[in-house]
Amino acid sequence: EAGVVQSPRYKIIEKKQPVAFWCNPISGHNTLYWYRQNLGQGPELLIRYENEEAVDDSQLPKDRFSAERLKGVDSTLKIQPAELGDSAVYLCASSRGQLVELLGETQYFGPGTRLLVL
Amino acid sequence: DAKTTQPTSMDCAEGRAANLPCNHSTISGNEYVYWYRQIHSQGPQYIIHGLKNNETNEMASLIITEDRKSSTLILPHATLRDTAVYYCIVGYTGNQFYFGTGTSLTVIP
Repeated sequence: EAGVVQSPRYKIIEKKQPVAFWCNPISGHNTLYWYRQNLGQGPELLIRYENEEAVDDSQLPKDRFSAERLKGVDSTLKIQPAELGDSAVYLCASSRGQLVELLGETQYFGPGTRLLVL
Repeated sequence: DAKTTQPTSMDCAEGRAANLPCNHSTISGNEYVYWYRQIHSQGPQYIIHGLKNNETNEMASLIITEDRKSSTLILPHATLRDTAVYYCIVGYTGNQFYFGTGTSLTVIP
């Protein structure tokens, strides 16, 4: 079974340019997460989807970040315009999203997209 | 917002057991303890999780104290490939994992 797929793996852009990251979760996983990981820190949640609905986007900087999961499967995270401080690794994760609290749901992570803003 | 406390770094000799501690004194009754690790330039990898009982799988063992306020991840025979940052996470707070900064484990030849 394929894991979480992300592309691109690396991206270098100049500040003020737009950038987009793509994620395809594990087949059958209803819940999808986008995390950002700064150098030397643990991942921090940006947004969580249950199917196509964004149920937690409180940490997403909405002035420049947007995300979508139109058909409840793959997802795109966009930054426009990018700033120097956006340089980080952007991680996508997925989980089955069923009976979460009772069953101790496990999140599975993709390899991440490493973004460098110059 | 981190709900766990871990040592910043640890060393372990190759072939020996690596015991990674984690304190989670504010854990609530229905929250699980998860362990993930992250090898350089890769996404976090799931290791193990548990609620009350000790757990074991092909990668590691998880020992949770009776009061559930702390736990220990045990890698029984550490190899060089186990060098990574290990995250102890208590969840599930609205499905959000608070990773903190983890423990950087170095396995020494």
